[in-house]
Amino acid sequence: ETGVTQTPRHLVMGMTNKKSLKCEQHLGHNAMYWYKQSAKKPLELMFVYSLEERVENNSVPSRFSPECPNSSHLFLHLHTLQPEDSALYLCASTPKGARGEQFFGPGTRLTVL
Amino acid sequence: AQSVTQPDIHITVSEGASLELRCNYSYGATPYLFWYVQSPGQGLQLLLKYFSGDTLVQGIKGFEAEFKRSQSSFNLRKPSVHWSDAAEYFCAVSRPYNQGGKLIFGQGTELSVKP
Repeated sequence: ETGVTQTPRHLVMGMTNKKSLKCEQHLGHNAMYWYKQSAKKPLELMFVYSLEERVENNSVPSRFSPECPNSSHLFLHLHTLQPEDSALYLCASTPKGARGEQFFGPGTRLTVL
Repeated sequence: AQSVTQPDIHITVSEGASLELRCNYSYGATPYLFWYVQSPGQGLQLLLKYFSGDTLVQGIKGFEAEFKRSQSSFNLRKPSVHWSDAAEYFCAVSRPYNQGGKLIFGQGTELSVKP
C-alpha cells in the first residue's frame, strides 16, 4: 500500500463511451502523474500536474482529458477511445522537493472494445 | 537526452540462486537512480534509490544495487532469489523536482523463478 488509490481497477468500454478514471492520495503530495503501460512497451508518461496546474502533456491525443480539481485528486476523462488505447493506466504522486521518488497506485486495467 | 537501458528483457533463475539485473543510464549530471518492482496487475513499488554517498545501496526484500559512475550502471542484485520475487523490474533515472521531477524508465526486465 503506497497511499495512492485508483478506481475503478478494471474498466471495459466501447469506442463511443465516455468514462473517467480516478486517482486519490492523502499523502500531502503536490505533484501527480498519469502513465500508460501497454504490453511489451516502456511506461509512457502522459500528464504531469504540479500544484493543480498541468505542467506537462506528452503529445497525448485529445480523447484523453486530465483534470486535477485539488492536490489530492486526479482524473482522466476518456472519450471515443480506440482499441489501441487498451492498457494499464497508472497514477503516481510525489511530495514537494522529492528527488524523483514517485508513489504509484495499483492502476486501472482498461479494455476498449 | 536522458535514457535508461535494461539489456535483458527476460531472465529466468532457479530459486535460491543469485540474481543480477542490469541497468545502464545516460544522464548529463549526477543522477538520481531508482529500481521499482511490479507484480502482475499491480502498480510499481520502490525497491531502492540512490542519490549520493555510498555507492552500494540496500533496499527492501533483500535487494541491493551498486552505482558505478565509470560504467554508467546501476545493477540490481539479490544473493538468493525466492519464488515470490517473480515480477517485472524497472530501473529509472530522474530529474530534480525543480526541473520537473520526471522519471525516465527503462523498458523493464521480467524475472521468472524456477522451482
